[in-house]
Amino acid sequence: NAGVMQNPRHLVRRRGQEARLRCSPMKGHSHVYWYRQLPEEGLKFMVYLQKENIIDESGMPKERFSAEFPKEGPSILRIQQVVRGDSAAYFCASSSGTHSNQPQHFGDGTRLSIL
Amino acid sequence: GDSVTQMEGPVTLSEEAFLTINCTYTATGYPSLFWYVQYPGEGLQLLLKATKADDKGSNKGFEATYRKETTSFHLEKGSVQVSDSAVYFCALSDLAGSEKLVFGKGTKLTVNP
Repeated sequence: NAGVMQNPRHLVRRRGQEARLRCSPMKGHSHVYWYRQLPEEGLKFMVYLQKENIIDESGMPKERFSAEFPKEGPSILRIQQVVRGDSAAYFCASSSGTHSNQPQHFGDGTRLSIL
Repeated sequence: GDSVTQMEGPVTLSEEAFLTINCTYTATGYPSLFWYVQYPGEGLQLLLKATKADDKGSNKGFEATYRKETTSFHLEKGSVQVSDSAVYFCALSDLAGSEKLVFGKGTKLTVNP
């Protein structure tokens, strides 16, 4: 039973380019969370999605960042016109529901580097 | 808003030493509490959890007790191993909302043989 799959593991972009990060949740999971981890920091919540719906985007920057979780295919976190400050590790987590007995399972992350 | 504060690292111990990593939280409701572990280059793995006051979570020799009166969830292990070297994150989840996780900054543990 595959876990949460994220790709790519490492992504290098130049300032001004677009970054697209993908996350395939665990089989049977329909809830996806995205978190960002800056160096020497804990993870910060960005967005929570269910299939075709954004449920909570309170942690998303207002500009340049967007997320989707289509009916078919992985969840995508998209960062337009990247800047140096976007360099971080981006983690996706999935769960099967919003009850505390169903914890979030994390992928290995995408490490984004901006040149 | 909700927040988690955990002890600053890094922590360096010898094998078989006793481990405590302190964690306190601030929350408006009655959150669930978690400890996650992150090994180098990997994602976070759930280590243990507790969903209500006085619950004790345990796994792989690690324990933590949900203390509502002190708003704490300290992680303990009686005898650490070299393989326990990792970064440990305390987190809470608000049951009333989207159940997003709020994390502490993490504590890096190094265990020497």
